[in-house]
Amino acid sequence: DGGITQSPKYLFRKEGQNVTLSCEQNLNHDAMYWYRQDPGQGLRLIYYSQIVNDFQKGDIAEGYSVSREKKESFPLTVTSAQKNPTAFYLCASTNPGTGGTDTQYFGPGTRLTVL
Amino acid sequence: GESVGLHLPTLSVQEGDNSIINCAYSNSASDYFIWYKQESGKGPQFIIDIRSNMDKRQGQRVTVLLNKTVKHLSLQIAATQPGDSAVYFCAENNAGNMLTFGGGTRLMVKP
Repeated sequence: DGGITQSPKYLFRKEGQNVTLSCEQNLNHDAMYWYRQDPGQGLRLIYYSQIVNDFQKGDIAEGYSVSREKKESFPLTVTSAQKNPTAFYLCASTNPGTGGTDTQYFGPGTRLTVL
Repeated sequence: GESVGLHLPTLSVQEGDNSIINCAYSNSASDYFIWYKQESGKGPQFIIDIRSNMDKRQGQRVTVLLNKTVKHLSLQIAATQPGDSAVYFCAENNAGNMLTFGGGTRLMVKP
């Protein structure tokens, strides 16, 4: 999984609760991303961060929040405002401008289920 | 809007045969393309990439072909093995470090 870890692997949430998904990378990558994957569908971008202390909304940011206080960490909080949070969440990172690749490397994912 | 898509949602091949997975893209400004493999319950794994100044790139048992005229990308897997069974999807980079992903094709390898 290329030096990117996500925890927990499985997460169960009761309705009305906020939960935080962890993403850590030791690749010294500047940019980090959160995606949501629903069964049989492609990846949809939730939030991304190109540099520490800065982040931008993706295509489906409503009901989610992030922080980027450290280069290696990009936690995602799924708030109670997210109406359909059950999904597989993937974190990725890349190092822009390294002279050839913009490949994003992914973590192993967290499967969130709302009870 | 611009999109990346796949022609075949499921591909079933016999072990040992070659597999070809296709992807169409619509943004002619895209300059970098990636193929990922995703096994069930796991994160996507990088397989191979190609830049728009190339039309072919080979890796170990895999080849990516890029046809910019018809905006088509394909992944060829030689001598397909049971371990190749997974969902494969393409992605295009057309704006900075942002990727647009296709929906994926499931490859099933029959023993």
